[in-house]
Amino acid sequence: GAGVSQSPRYKVAKRGQDVALRCDPISGHVSLFWYQQALGQGPEFLTYFQNEAQLDKSGLPSDRFFAERPEGSVSTLKIQRTQQEDSAVYLCASSARNYGYTFGSGTRLTVV
Amino acid sequence: AQTVTQSQPEMSVQEAETVTLSCTYDTSESDYYLFWYKQPPSRQMILVIRQEAYKQQNATENRFSVNFQKAAKSFSLKISDSQLGDAAMYFCAYRSAGMRSGGSNYKLTFGKGTLLTVNP
Repeated sequence: GAGVSQSPRYKVAKRGQDVALRCDPISGHVSLFWYQQALGQGPEFLTYFQNEAQLDKSGLPSDRFFAERPEGSVSTLKIQRTQQEDSAVYLCASSARNYGYTFGSGTRLTVV
Repeated sequence: AQTVTQSQPEMSVQEAETVTLSCTYDTSESDYYLFWYKQPPSRQMILVIRQEAYKQQNATENRFSVNFQKAAKSFSLKISDSQLGDAAMYFCAYRSAGMRSGGSNYKLTFGKGTLLTVNP
């Protein structure tokens, strides 16, 4: 597609529920990033893929967070047993050459 | 680890006037990239301007320009002839340029942002 597409745009989850957030990057973009943006803060790095390989997951806050990109295109960020502190906007970005990033519009997750 | 600091949580400017947003960063690296991103209510991060650290010339994109002071580790954004559509959150970001294994140097480190209001 023409841009990075993320779905759903909004997600409300009850505490303890599992959620899956989808990112569809620009076709052909090798690199894919996930960021977490808490209210009133800047985005913080979660994880990075180069094709299907997850090369850096140092930003994942706990083992409840899991990301995958099995075929090197679409990526899913999964959060198990959601907690209130997981409420944030989750941004996905893709890049062809690792210095020009295109961001999606994010998924706003609210845990109640 | 690199850090990015934006000391102005909010700024306002009159339409058609000029405003400068501040950013400082901390790094031990000599080669890196700096960015300014705009985030409107739609939430999508939009690249405003980019600066390579090895370039002494300040980057310019139409009404947007930067004042890059490498020794002082300062990277301010100047918006000239401000327009109503410039109102948004602005984030300063840092990215390493060196090639290291694992690709972790490609991640962006963001500041906390500055909310810019443009008054008609």
